[in-house]
Amino acid sequence: AQKVTQAQTEISVVEKEDVTLDCVYETRDTTYYLFWYKQPPSGELVFLIRRNSFDEQNEISGRYSWNFQKSTSSFNFTITASQVVDSAVYFCALSEAWSGGSNYKLTFGKGTLLTVNP
Amino acid sequence: NAGVTQTPKFQVLKTGQSMTLQCAQDMNHEYMSWYRQDPGMGLRLIHYSVGAGITDQGEVPNGYNVSRSTTEDFPLRLLSAAPSQTSVYFCASSSSTGQGYSVYEQYFGPGTRLTVT
Repeated sequence: AQKVTQAQTEISVVEKEDVTLDCVYETRDTTYYLFWYKQPPSGELVFLIRRNSFDEQNEISGRYSWNFQKSTSSFNFTITASQVVDSAVYFCALSEAWSGGSNYKLTFGKGTLLTVNP
Repeated sequence: NAGVTQTPKFQVLKTGQSMTLQCAQDMNHEYMSWYRQDPGMGLRLIHYSVGAGITDQGEVPNGYNVSRSTTEDFPLRLLSAAPSQTSVYFCASSSSTGQGYSVYEQYFGPGTRLTVT
């Protein structure tokens, strides 16, 4: 069975600080996908990134960066120079890819509430 | 493109009542699913569908029914509402290339906040 652990329940930082959100996953599959979603106070779920298990390159998108390490089963998310608008719940999620075709059952972590204070 | 739409946005039910949460997508996505979000629990998969006429259970299917008669629509039925079903419900959809080992991001609707008293 697949599992995603986000050990940080809540993080509070002051604006312009860098912050890293941790995500550790468990899966028996060799082919899988990892995702991060953002849920701002308005409640919608916003897709941030998708990464497959064969691509261990780190990714940077503006102030956001992701560090994927298969050796430690981690897919951490860093926000550089945080802003108040980054305040949200962030979810890490995992989907195994089954042979014979696409399949997905997203397993979510419990989320990390990030509060960025001015 | 409206994306994924859900109705209603809010609903209050009494224990034992039944209702249907509506979900529709206009992106011609094959995959659709329903999640519930409870405080401190993240999102948990209720049911999902890989195409019209095909549905399967997720992690927490008890008390819910689904059907998928068209590509666009994937309603979730609560048969006899219970207070434990008080939650925020999200519908999501995702595309597929039709090739193996490809899993794409899911697009979520705005959610339905359901309270069962």
